[in-house]
Amino acid sequence: DAGVTQSPTHLIKTRGQHVTLRCSPISGHKSVSWYQQVLGQGPQFIFQYYEKEERGRGNFPDRFSARQFPNYSSELNVNALLLGDSALYLCASTPRLEATDTQYFGPGTRLTVL
Amino acid sequence: AQRVTQPEKLLSVFKGAPVELKCNYSYSGSPELFWYVQYSRQRLQLLLRHISRESIKGFTADLNKGETSFHLKKPFAQEEDSAMYYCALSALGQGAQKLVFGQGTRLTINP
Repeated sequence: DAGVTQSPTHLIKTRGQHVTLRCSPISGHKSVSWYQQVLGQGPQFIFQYYEKEERGRGNFPDRFSARQFPNYSSELNVNALLLGDSALYLCASTPRLEATDTQYFGPGTRLTVL
Repeated sequence: AQRVTQPEKLLSVFKGAPVELKCNYSYSGSPELFWYVQYSRQRLQLLLRHISRESIKGFTADLNKGETSFHLKKPFAQEEDSAMYYCALSALGQGAQKLVFGQGTRLTINP
C-alpha cells in the first residue's frame, strides 16, 4: 500500500483564486481529515469526514469546504484565496473514528498564494 | 479547551547524551496522546502513543495526569534522531476525532 496520497505536490495561485486539493486514504480507511500547517507551527485541524459525512470542522472560514466520495477519497476546496492561506495542507486517514486511532498522514500539498 | 504546549522550539544535544522533549496538555476529558516525528523530506509519521506503552527507536513517553505532561525521552541520542517532533492530543468530540498539535520541537543531535 502506498499509504495516503495527495495531489498536487505543489501549487501556486494568486489572491482571489480557487483551489482544489485531493487526497486518497489508505485502502480500508473510511475517515479522512484535513490539516493546515503554516510555517513554524504544528498542523491545525480543518475538517474530518467519515463515511462521506462531515463529522467535524475546525476554526476555519466558510471559504474552506470539503467532501468525501464513495471510494473514501476526499477533496478540499478553498475559495477566494488570501495570502494567509499559504501553507502545507495535510491529509490523514484512519480506519474508524476512535480517539485511540492513529492518523496516517500524506506527504502534503504545498500551496503558495501570491 | 484542548491545548498542547511544547515549550522548546529548538533543542540541541550531543550524540550519546540523554534527550527529553517536553509536552504539556490541557484537556478536560481522558487524554489520548501521541508523539509524531517528521524526518527531513519525509511525511509526518507516528513515533509512539501512550496507550501502547511501548518503546520505539529507544524513545519512551509516560503520561503524567497530575502534571498534565507527556514528555518524550531517550537515554542516548543518536544522529538519526535529528528531526521535528510534534506532541499531539486526540480529542473525540461531537462525532469527530481531531488531533491537536503542539508547535513542535526541532531536535538536532550534534556529532
